[in-house]
Order: sequence, then structure tokens, then C-alpha cells
Amino acid sequence: DIQMTQSPASLSASLGETVTIECRASEDIYSNLAWYQQKPGNSPQLLIYDANSLADGVPSRFSGSGSGTQYSLKINSLQSEDVASYFCQQYNNYLDTFGAGTKLELK
Amino acid sequence: EVQLVESGGGLVQPGRSLKLSCAASGFTFSNYYMAWVRQAPKKGLEWVATISTSGSRTYYPDSVKGRFTISRDNAKSSLYLQMNSLKSEDTATYYCARLGSTPDYWGQGVMVTVSS
Repeated sequence: DIQMTQSPASLSASLGETVTIECRASEDIYSNLAWYQQKPGNSPQLLIYDANSLADGVPSRFSGSGSGTQYSLKINSLQSEDVASYFCQQYNNYLDTFGAGTKLELK
Repeated sequence: EVQLVESGGGLVQPGRSLKLSCAASGFTFSNYYMAWVRQAPKKGLEWVATISTSGSRTYYPDSVKGRFTISRDNAKSSLYLQMNSLKSEDTATYYCARLGSTPDYWGQGVMVTVSS
């Protein structure tokens, strides 16, 4: 199975700040990577797919980048509604795997 | 509007069985692969099962292989997960998800608690 190592596990940032979350795959996943946002009590919401494509309705302050085994999610100009947990997910085969998640809080 | 509504969760004893259902609407169900994903309390996400559009191909991780069976009824726009020989570590919220290239829509989830 492909292992996804996500960092940091938690992150504290101020409103308006730019934050970056990283994900490393145990092997090349050919940009088959997605990012999800999950708020407490809710199901995950797709933010980014194919490493850098913005899902419908997602604000443009979210962006994804990377290739091979290294990927990142960037949130520009952090807003209060961005407080949530974020997960990366690889879908290079039919047995997808997720990163452990990053909990983003306001400083 | 795409909607996925899970049902069938609850409290079950270890070793027993439970069947989850997911009612889909707002899209052509038969055109999409579907999946079940679970999340243990305060934990991360774990892929549980994938099924092809016709139901002829299914995929499971080792953690549930041989115990869980995913199926679908395209005529009813419904997805199912039969869970047998349940263990305490199967306790989680189970989500039904539509697969574009990746899960693009998720249900609200249904809780399964395995405990004596």
C-alpha cells in the first residue's frame, strides 16, 4: 500500500496569514492527489484534485502543487472559516490512502 | 443536487453483522464508481471499499477483506456495505462517496459502534 505522510499534524496561524501543508507519498503517485477540508461534525469536502485543480465552488485562496512524491496545499489570506482539519489522499490505484490530517487553528 | 444518504448504522456486538445502505440522488448513479470510507472517532480517514459502475469489480484493503462486501443496485440508485465478523476496531463513522477521479461527493455519514 502507498503510505501518505502529512505534516504538520497541527498548525496555528493568524487571520490573513498564508499557510502550507505538506504530503509525501511512499512512491510516485503521478499527481493523483486530492486535498479535503473537514469541519467538526461534517463530512469531508473536496478542495483540490489532480494535485492542482480547484474543485467547484472552492475559493481561489486555496491552491495545490507538487508532483512525484511531494505535494502541498497552500491557503492564502487565512479566513476564520478555514479553521478545520485537512487531509491529503492518493488515488493512484483503487485502494486509496489518506494522510493522517492537519488540524488548523487560529492563533 | 447530488445527495448521498447513509442508513443502517447502530450498536452491534463483536462478531455480529450489519448492513449499511446509501441512497443516491441528483446524478446518474450507474455512471459512477462508488466507495465507502470510514473514520474512527477523533481519527483519520480509511478507505474501506470501492465498486465499479456495473458492480463487477470490487476492491478492499486487507483490514476488511473477507469480512466486508460492497454491492450496488443501479436500478434503485443504492449502494450497500455488508459487514460481517465485526470487530471493535470497526467502530467508526462510515461515509458513502461518489468517485469522480476521487471522492467528489460524500454522504453525511452513519455511525457504527461495535461493543459488547
